[in-house]
Amino acid sequence: EDQVTQSPEALRLQEGESSSLNCSYTVSGLRGLFWYRQDPGKGPEFLFTLYSAGEEKEKERLKATLTKKESFLHITAPKPEDSATYLCAVQARGTYKYIFGTGTRLKVLA
Amino acid sequence: DAGVIQSPRHEVTEMGQEVTLRCKPISGHNSLFWYRQTMMRGLELLIYFNNNVPIDDSGMPEDRFSAKMPNASFSTLKIQPSEPRDSAVYFCASSPRVLNTEAFFGQGTRLTVV
Repeated sequence: EDQVTQSPEALRLQEGESSSLNCSYTVSGLRGLFWYRQDPGKGPEFLFTLYSAGEEKEKERLKATLTKKESFLHITAPKPEDSATYLCAVQARGTYKYIFGTGTRLKVLA
Repeated sequence: DAGVIQSPRHEVTEMGQEVTLRCKPISGHNSLFWYRQTMMRGLELLIYFNNNVPIDDSGMPEDRFSAKMPNASFSTLKIQPSEPRDSAVYFCASSPRVLNTEAFFGQGTRLTVV
């Protein structure tokens, strides 16, 4: 069964303290892995798509990487405005479904 | 572009009542998804439409749930009768293609059934 597991569930960082969020996945064949950011009371907002192992993408303080079993979202020198829930989703070959993990709630303290 | 538009943003209803949630996808997108989000289960796919046609409704929890997409710019999710366990945030999302593209989400409808 296709599955996505995110860790940790919650993370508190001091401003400027870099860290990484993990997304482990089990799919019959990966078509794409997606990272989203969700702020309270809002819908998920798209960040990145990764398609193959070794691929990396960056946006401001965020960098997403992908291996055959997991993806990492690296946050460099985070700021309080980076506080949000970060969601990972996969789309398997032969299906249109986006399977989401339960997310990592990130809190960055000033 | 205004993005995916959902209405209402909040809905409070009594158990047994009918609830209808509405969604306007992004113009030109041919795929539409309805998701439900709870703390316990996260985001769960309820139903998927492609070119206004329901492709897979296996995520719809019960016969009390139904969804329609009468045209490319409008979809509804109906719950009849509603139950307290249906309380959740319901999201609509659209994407320009079926595969290999990200989905764009609306702001969601927070449903509370009392």
